[in-house]
Amino acid sequence: DAGVIQSPRHEVTEMGQEVTLRCKPISGHNSLFWYRQTMMRGLELLIYFNNNVPIDDSGMPEDRFSAKMPNASFSTLKIQPSEPRDSAVYFCASSLDSPGNYEQYFGPGTRLTVT
Amino acid sequence: AQSVAQPEDQVNVAEGNPLTVKCTYSVSGNPYLFWYVQYPNRGLQFLLKYITGDNLVKGSYGFEAEFNKSQTSFHLKKPSALVSDSALYFCAVRDHNAGNMLTFGGGTRLMVKP
Repeated sequence: DAGVIQSPRHEVTEMGQEVTLRCKPISGHNSLFWYRQTMMRGLELLIYFNNNVPIDDSGMPEDRFSAKMPNASFSTLKIQPSEPRDSAVYFCASSLDSPGNYEQYFGPGTRLTVT
Repeated sequence: AQSVAQPEDQVNVAEGNPLTVKCTYSVSGNPYLFWYVQYPNRGLQFLLKYITGDNLVKGSYGFEAEFNKSQTSFHLKKPSALVSDSALYFCAVRDHNAGNMLTFGGGTRLMVKP
């Protein structure tokens, strides 16, 4: 089975531009998570969805960040406008979230560089 | 609130020697515990989990972890380290009363030297 799929794998953009990161969770999983990883701050949870509904977005840094999950097989994380401090690796993860099956499976990440 | 502590930023071990990566946790209810490994330029990869039952759980690549409720610990172990085990290791906890979010520790870098 395919794992979590993220695109693009690398994104380089200029400050002020809009950036959209995409994620396809594992088929059948009902929870989806967006994380950000930096050397300084480690791994941070940005937002998570359960059954396509945003449950907790308290980790979203500010209004420049938004996330959507229009259906069970697709999610986007958008940054508009982007800033150099947004440079990080962004991971999407999904889980089945049923009794005994709480582990999350991570995608390969999108490395974002904002110049 | 739930939290995880990985007290060592880095662990160094010689190839063939046993390794231990430490993790302690804090939850209000019963914990679900997880270990992940991250190789360079890769996503986090699930290694093993404790949900209930036997305190010693076995996972991928010969790793195991022991749940100790009295010490609120879940240390990762391997009897004989390989150079290829060198990576970043994350411990995570979920409180079964607190939804389906995982709280991750800060990570421990394992360096296995030949």
